[in-house]
Amino acid sequence: DTEVTQTPKHLVMGMTNKKSLKCEQHMGHRAMYWYKQKAKKPPELMFVYSYEKLSINESVPSRFSPECPNSSLLNLHLHALQPEDSALYLCASSQGGGQGIGQPQHFGDGTRLSIL
Amino acid sequence: GENVEQHPSTLSVQEGDSAVIKCTYSDSASNYFPWYKQELGKRPQLIIDIRSNVGEKKDQRIAVTLNKTAKHFSLHITETQPEDSAVYFCAARGFSTPLVFGKGTRLSVIA
Repeated sequence: DTEVTQTPKHLVMGMTNKKSLKCEQHMGHRAMYWYKQKAKKPPELMFVYSYEKLSINESVPSRFSPECPNSSLLNLHLHALQPEDSALYLCASSQGGGQGIGQPQHFGDGTRLSIL
Repeated sequence: GENVEQHPSTLSVQEGDSAVIKCTYSDSASNYFPWYKQELGKRPQLIIDIRSNVGEKKDQRIAVTLNKTAKHFSLHITETQPEDSAVYFCAARGFSTPLVFGKGTRLSVIA
């Protein structure tokens, strides 16, 4: 019943590769999020897009580059990652623009990323 | 910024017993408090949430209570079942601030 779809489910890449993670939702949500989650830890916010504009960047290294082509899609471009970047990358979305009275955030199943 | 403390970090209960997980938050402006359940290898799933204008909310075996004065909120699961075993995260957010998560509670329900 996941309404936020992430691809790929698994990704293994070398430190010199360039790859992209994709996220899609068709619930009409106007806020979309990228989180990083390490084992046995809570999700850690990376980026927030509100009405297709980047509204929050939690001091994420530039080797992670987000993109929001339209209101339904969110990408995360990866380049020159480090082994410590290996984690589960979760996309989420919520109604409104991510501000105001809290709206539920719905997560996708995530992309499990391994950096060799 | 907001800081959310969650206790306990691990909790074991017998099947059929109740489980209680507690969280405290620091920012009095926080107004939305969701709880997520995450099974091993799966996504965090919203199980219940509460807003600051409500003191308690129930959904079948799950309830959440909020004490704004003390700045704490709790998750109550009654008649626990083995499928309730998972990691539970509380979170809090304000009007224009992102969700801040607690560190999680690993709940084990022993059959």
